[in-house]
Amino acid sequence: AAGVIQSPRHLIKEKRETATLKCYPIPRHDTVYWYQQGPGQDPQFLISFYEKMQSDKGSIPDRFSAQQFSDYHSELNMSSLELGDSALYFCASRSYKRGQETQYFGPGTRLLVL
Amino acid sequence: GNSVTQMEGPVTLSEEAFLTINCTYTATGYPSLFWYVQYPGEGLQLLLKATKADDKGSNKGFEATYRKETTSFHLEKGSVQVSDSAVYFCALSESGGGSNYKLTFGKGTLLTVNP
Repeated sequence: AAGVIQSPRHLIKEKRETATLKCYPIPRHDTVYWYQQGPGQDPQFLISFYEKMQSDKGSIPDRFSAQQFSDYHSELNMSSLELGDSALYFCASRSYKRGQETQYFGPGTRLLVL
Repeated sequence: GNSVTQMEGPVTLSEEAFLTINCTYTATGYPSLFWYVQYPGEGLQLLLKATKADDKGSNKGFEATYRKETTSFHLEKGSVQVSDSAVYFCALSESGGGSNYKLTFGKGTLLTVNP
C-alpha cells in the first residue's frame, strides 16, 4: 500500500539559510499534519491543512510557513534557520472513515543546521 | 488543554518478559487513543488504536484498552522480543473543530529488550 512520502530524507543547512520540506500524502487523504521532533523529544504539532486550507496552527515559528497544493502535497518552508531548528520533521496524512480517524506518518526529514 | 502522561523510561526487560507501559490522558471531550512505535533511526509507525471507551486495540501481540473511568490506555505485551526494542509513544487526538484532529503525544518510553 502507498505510504506518506517525504523529501528530502536528510538535509544539512547553515544558520540563516532556508529549507523546503515536501510531503506527499497517501492518495485520497485530504488532511496533512506537520510535526517537529527534537532530539530525545516527543513530536510537537506545527500546522495542518484540510482541503488546501490551513486548519490549525501549533507551535510553529513565524519564520516557518507551509501550504497545501491542488494535488494535496504540502511544503514546509523554513527561513532564517537556527541551530535549534535541527530536528526530525514528520508529515502525517489522515484517514477518516466511518467516524474513525487515523494519522499515518511519513519517514521524516532529518534537518541538521550547522 | 489535552495532555498525555507516560511512565518514564528507560525500561529494560529480558526476552519473554511481560511488558506494561502506563499511559494516562487528560482531554476535554472523547478522544481517540493511539500507541505509536519508533524504531531506531526510523519514523513513527501506528501500533494500535482505540476510539471509544472499553475498546481494545491490538497488534503484533501488543494490547491496550481504552479505560474512560481511569483515563488510561496502558500498553501490554505478554512476551517481549529483542525486536520490540524501540521508543513507544502514547497519543490522543480530539477534534479541535472542523477537520482538525492533531495528535498530542506523551514523552515516549524507551524499551530495551535483552536476549
